[in-house]
Amino acid sequence: KNEVEQSPQNLTAQEGEFITINCSYSVGISALHWLQQHPGGGIVSLFMLSSGKKKHGRLIATINIQEKHSSLHITASHPRDSAVYICGPFRGNQFYFGTGTSLTVIP
Amino acid sequence: IAGITQAPTSQILAAGRRMTLRCTQDMRHNAMYWYRQDLGLGLRLIHYSNTAGTTGKGEVPDGYSVSRANTDDFPLTLASAVPSQTSVYFCASSELRGGLGSEQFFGPGTRLTVL
Repeated sequence: KNEVEQSPQNLTAQEGEFITINCSYSVGISALHWLQQHPGGGIVSLFMLSSGKKKHGRLIATINIQEKHSSLHITASHPRDSAVYICGPFRGNQFYFGTGTSLTVIP
Repeated sequence: IAGITQAPTSQILAAGRRMTLRCTQDMRHNAMYWYRQDLGLGLRLIHYSNTAGTTGKGEVPDGYSVSRANTDDFPLTLASAVPSQTSVYFCASSELRGGLGSEQFFGPGTRLTVL
């Protein structure tokens, strides 16, 4: 079972484009994690948020707990942003991670 | 600064063999986790430990066991490996506060193939 839906599943963008990746979940949560998985497989934590918005460099994450939705935005995308982006709502005592959005940024 | 290390990096294993995947962190985090990642299924929690001496079952615990003798180490054991345990295994740690979700830091992963 997977209660987390990410869209789109795959995304190709031109360098410089503004990118939005969406994450929807079906049950109440207390927090949500955004991860980045590089082509080589390594996983990096991007954001952990429970309300509002967080910004780090060109990355912005927003969450609306009531609407059960979070978005990850990338401004001025660059080829080095090419990766899989994974969201993970936290419920009970664990994260339930989605299958990810595969992003390719073309020069 | 190592963060989290995992060993081995990859392993090919005959079905029925016993295998222990090692995970060590040097961040003094109280919580540690084992996930498996399979194509189309995402990261799924196998076992977790909120503090040394305690462990808990995640979403897919069958066929796996863990122990947490100290803060730094969290080994995952497959007692008798089966081909369906072919996967990439990630260890993670976090500073757990009050039962709330906290940022997780991941190891580099172990690619395991069971034949």
